[in-house]
Formats: sequence, structure tokens, C-alpha cells
Amino acid sequence: GENVEQHPSTLSVQEGDSAVIKCTYSDSASNYFPWYKQELGKRPQLIIDIRSNVGEKKDQRIAVTLNKTAKHFSLHITETQPEDSAVYFCAASIRKLIFGAGTRLAVHP
Amino acid sequence: GAVVSQHPSWVICKSGTSVKIECRSLDFQATTMFWYRQFPKQSLMLMATSNEGSKATYEQGVEKDKFLINHASLTLSTLTVTSAHPEDSSFYICSALSGRANLDTQYFGPGTRLTVL
Repeated sequence: GENVEQHPSTLSVQEGDSAVIKCTYSDSASNYFPWYKQELGKRPQLIIDIRSNVGEKKDQRIAVTLNKTAKHFSLHITETQPEDSAVYFCAASIRKLIFGAGTRLAVHP
Repeated sequence: GAVVSQHPSWVICKSGTSVKIECRSLDFQATTMFWYRQFPKQSLMLMATSNEGSKATYEQGVEKDKFLINHASLTLSTLTVTSAHPEDSSFYICSALSGRANLDTQYFGPGTRLTVL
């Protein structure tokens, strides 16, 4: 079955810096790659997603890139703000989501 | 749009009792819902896929007789934890598949925190 690895497990940045989180997946049939932000005790919130027919997608300060050949995808957050602090999960999907282990992002003022 | 609710938001029960958790899609029909379990500081682990009008598909290692799933309508799926034990204490989250935005977008419920004493 699908396996998703996510790095780093923790990431600490200064406000205004960029943050990058990377994921790899094992099943080349996966065709949908969402990223979720989860605050403590809350539900995961979809922040951006990308499909296998697209290499890059951007939404304001957030961008995702996908390299199908290498089976890598990455989340890029620019101009980080303290409210970006949360746990971020990547996932890969063929109709069901398999999640990475998560990255705890801390943005320091 | 695409709102998913869960009830209850938290529950405390005694060991050996059963607990039912409801997951509802409030403004759309969901032929497919998913149930996840999340332990503290860990990721979401898919337990089962719930399809309206048919039996749920369980992930490897998940006991179907312990975690009973019923998807009786297009807006409601229930998860019953039978004979709960302390090791079943966890955050249970459902999601519903909405075909309106795109075929794969899952919308998550707020979760149910189960504590078994």
C-alpha cells in the first residue's frame, strides 16, 4: 500500500522567513496530494492541494510543488507569521488519504 | 459549504461499555465517508472507508467487530466502539468525500475525543 514520509518533524523559523516541508510517496498511482494544517485539538484544515497532472500551484503565501518522477512533493510557506504555527500534514491519495507523520511548525515573532 | 459535523465532541465512558459517534454531512450528500484515529502528537491513521448502503472497508489491523461502522444514509455515518478499553482512548475524526469541488476533496469533522476509564 501507499506510504508517505514527511520531513522535518519539527521546524522553527523567525517571522518573515520561509518554511519548506517535504514529502515522498511510494505508490506511483497516487494522483492527489493535499496539505492540511491542524491546530491543537482541532480538525485538519485543507490549505492547498495539487493533482498529478500539475507541477506547481500557488495560493498567496502558500505553494506546493510536485515531482512525479521522483515521487516528491513539497509545501512552501513564504513570509511566515506567528499564526502559521501549527502541525502540517501532507497526504497522498488514490480515493483514500494516507497521511505523513506531520511537521510541527513554530514561527517566532 | 461542505460542512461536516460530529457528535459528541467528547465522551468519557467506563471500560467495557460501547460508545457511538455520529458523523454528518450538513449541506451535501456523501456517498463515502472515512473514519480516522489520531493519538496525541501523532498523525491521522485511516481506520475504515464507509460507503452508503454497503459494508465498510477496514484497513489492515483494524478490528471490524470492535469498530462497527454503519452508513445508513447519504448524510450520516456512525462509528460504534464496542467494549471500549483504555487503549481505545483517542481522537476520532471522520471525513466526507464531496464530489462538488473535485472528486477527492475530503472535508473533516471536528473530531470526538474518547476517554475510556
